[in-house]
Amino acid sequence: GDSVTQMEGPVTLSEEAFLTINCTYTATGYPSLFWYVQYPGEGLQLLLKATKADDKGSNKGFEATYRKETTSFHLEKGSVQVSDSAVYFCALRGGSGGSNYKLTFGKGTLLTVNP
Amino acid sequence: GAGVSQSPSNKVTEKGKDVELRCDPISGHTALYWYRQSLGQGLEFLIYFQGNSAPDKSGLPSDRFSAERTGGSVSTLTIQRTQQEDSAVYLCASSPSVDEQFFGPGTRLTVL
Repeated sequence: GDSVTQMEGPVTLSEEAFLTINCTYTATGYPSLFWYVQYPGEGLQLLLKATKADDKGSNKGFEATYRKETTSFHLEKGSVQVSDSAVYFCALRGGSGGSNYKLTFGKGTLLTVNP
Repeated sequence: GAGVSQSPSNKVTEKGKDVELRCDPISGHTALYWYRQSLGQGLEFLIYFQGNSAPDKSGLPSDRFSAERTGGSVSTLTIQRTQQEDSAVYLCASSPSVDEQFFGPGTRLTVL
């Protein structure tokens, strides 16, 4: 079945540092890929998505590129802010088995950004 | 506009009791999903509704778990004879079709 593996946290950075959170996936077919973010005390929010190979999703300074050859969707940001402190989840939808609605999530990465 | 709402936000219950968790999706969203977020298992899919029908219940962990949706709107997730391993945050999401899922804030369930 489908699966998502993302780097273990927690990740602690200083403000303005460069961020990478690695995400790789296993799925047959052509899944859509997502990054969700969960700020403290809030629900999951979609951060960005990509629906086909070589697509780049971007939002709020975050970027991720759908790499089919390496089955990866790494999240990057050039300069993090304290307000980026949250848990980040990589997810896919529409891989094997024709499930075009169910999201399969990674375990989440806690990011803490210090001033 | 209003997002997905869930109630209660927190629920503490004793082992063996039944609990009902409620989800109010965004108006007009035909698809509704329940997920569970727990420390050991991460985020897991439980069930998917399209309208009032549930074509995929594959994620429900046992027959103690059931869910229904009425009027193509509100959904209730019921857990009978709760166990300590049911402690988790239960998340509801809705979407207008097979598209971006909008999540509610979740219900934190603690089984003592």
